[in-house]
Amino acid sequence: ETGVTQTPRHLVMGMTNKKSLKCEQHLGHNAMYWYKQSAKKPLELMFVYSLEERVENNSVPSRFSPECPNSSHLFLHLHTLQPEDSALYLCASSQDPGANVLTFGAGSRLTVL
Amino acid sequence: GENVEQHPSTLSVQEGDSAVIKCTYSDSASNYFPWYKQELGKGPQLIIDIRSNVGEKKDQRIAVTLNKTAKHFSLHITETQPEDSAVYFCAVPPVGGSTLGRLYFGRGTQLTVWP
Repeated sequence: ETGVTQTPRHLVMGMTNKKSLKCEQHLGHNAMYWYKQSAKKPLELMFVYSLEERVENNSVPSRFSPECPNSSHLFLHLHTLQPEDSALYLCASSQDPGANVLTFGAGSRLTVL
Repeated sequence: GENVEQHPSTLSVQEGDSAVIKCTYSDSASNYFPWYKQELGKGPQLIIDIRSNVGEKKDQRIAVTLNKTAKHFSLHITETQPEDSAVYFCAVPPVGGSTLGRLYFGRGTQLTVWP
């Protein structure tokens, strides 16, 4: 397996559910990111992790909780989401935190009912 | 933050024709300009980028041109093929402070190439 892998690819959840999105990168990169892609809006940076340490939280509501247990894995824990949180959640990685060349996964399509 | 405007939002061309997508940015100190391609069901993928010390860069059928004075850069695709159909995003990193993989993306251009 190469590149950036995201699971699940599709997720439907109710507003009271708790679920998690998983991302794994096989590139040996040191930085990982969560981006949100909504219809008709630019990609929005949510979180940045550098060497497993969160270095940026871009004013994301607390109902989104990231976790980076090691440099290859990144999670996004979801709880009590709202319908407006429905979007494609993209994980990305880069060689180092200062690099602007991002490798994206295919995304997890989230629908909140 | 950086203001990135991308036009057009949709573009339809006949196979073999050329396609041009343009982006404008607001910070004159910006120095790196990538283009990403997102095919259906996939994440964005970097296809070409340019740094501010050059005005044009080519890679086979795609090219990017940069006009720093006017603060815009464009993606050019020649001899388009149906497999070029995708959403294309321009992006600009912030200048100064912490960049940390932050890219300000345009809203995207849906390119459709008709056979």
